[in-house]
Amino acid sequence: AQSVTQPDIHITVSEGASLELRCNYSYGATPYLFWYVQSPGQGLQLLLKYFSGDTLVQGIKGFEAEFKRSQSSFNLRKPSVHWSDAAEYFCAVEGSSASKIIFGSGTRLSIRP
Amino acid sequence: NAGVMQNPRHLVRRRGQEARLRCSPMKGHSHVYWYRQLPEEGLKFMVYLQKENIIDESGMPKERFSAEFPKEGPSILRIQQVVRGDSAAYFCASSPPRIGSMVETQYFGPGTRLLVL
Repeated sequence: AQSVTQPDIHITVSEGASLELRCNYSYGATPYLFWYVQSPGQGLQLLLKYFSGDTLVQGIKGFEAEFKRSQSSFNLRKPSVHWSDAAEYFCAVEGSSASKIIFGSGTRLSIRP
Repeated sequence: NAGVMQNPRHLVRRRGQEARLRCSPMKGHSHVYWYRQLPEEGLKFMVYLQKENIIDESGMPKERFSAEFPKEGPSILRIQQVVRGDSAAYFCASSPPRIGSMVETQYFGPGTRLLVL
């Protein structure tokens, strides 16, 4: 069965520091992978997606993610975080039925001034 | 170019009442998905609909929950005889029609936060 694991429940980084959020997936075929961000009380905004091709994917707000098939990972990175990046981040994979998205449990990012 | 619309944004119901959540997809999108987010958890898939058809309802609870996407008007998620455990945020997403096996991105609405007293 498909699944997504985000091992870090809560991460705190200093403003201006680099960020890496971890994501591991379990999927038999080539996965379609996503990162979404959710601000408190808000809906989900798509940061970036990987369908095929270049394994380094650029997204909005300066985020990027790298697909590593050998490690079943799709980690999200940002070279320098801003206070406005504080939010919940969800990694997701499209399920085998090609209709549902399976979400990880999320990583809450806090920014230290 | 409006995004996915959901209303109401907040809904309070007493146990035993009915809750109706509405979702209007983005213009040009004919596929609608409903997800539920329990407190401190990720989103869980509930149901996938196209106009007048339920395509995948594998995530829907067997009782009290139903969904529809009529030919005209918004998609409706209906919860009958609500219980406290139904308190959650319910998100709707939409996508354009699929072409073959090509993946289409799902765009999410702001959610409806249901509180059952």
